Amino acid sequence: DAKTTQPNSMESNEEEPVHLPCNHSTISGTDYIHWYRQLPSQGPEYVIHGLTSNVNNRMASLAIAEDRKSSTLILHRATLRDAAVYYCILRVFISNFGNEKLTFGTGTRLTIIP
Amino acid sequence: EAGVTQFPSHSVIEKGQTVTLRCDPISGHDNLYWYRRVMGKEIKFLLHFVKESKQDESGMPNNRFLAERTGGTYSTLKVQPAELEDSGVYFCASSNGQALYNEQFFGPGTRLTVL
Repeated sequence: DAKTTQPNSMESNEEEPVHLPCNHSTISGTDYIHWYRQLPSQGPEYVIHGLTSNVNNRMASLAIAEDRKSSTLILHRATLRDAAVYYCILRVFISNFGNEKLTFGTGTRLTIIP
Repeated sequence: EAGVTQFPSHSVIEKGQTVTLRCDPISGHDNLYWYRRVMGKEIKFLLHFVKESKQDESGMPNNRFLAERTGGTYSTLKVQPAELEDSGVYFCASSNGQALYNEQFFGPGTRLTVL
């Protein structure tokens, strides 16, 4: 899987939007961009994924650059419960119908300030 | 719907002993994955089952690790004999495998400490 680069840590105030960046300059045309997060003492959980277009779901939004070399996970209104490590993961989708392994990097540790 | 469960939540054993970790995936999920995070490292993939068959075991570190999924339901991961460097958190995940996109659902992990 292609490599992603994320800041080690970020802080945000509660109830404010958070923009978590991810660089993936070596992304290929068949790589999907995924975000998972890991809350303290829990296993990772899926947040969102996308290919080219921006995506929204109940948890977050994903903004993908036009050249796909970077993306941003947006939490519209951070709560204390959003404090977690956020992982940006590239994953080839087509070859195994979306069932391939996940390759985790170091992620971004997000701290929410009350 | 029950999530992915793992047992035990914690295990402390001595070097050279055997430990067996268990994972119960979400009912009906054909895909089952094992991952682990050892001290200070990133979460790493170990292997992937599709039903009872090993689809990808490229991440298994050595032959001291044996994973099984008899009957395509729950899975066990046995470490025999355990070494100090095996200490870490072992995660299990499952996915449906039938949808267009299959997110992985993770269990809470088993924390293994080898003394």
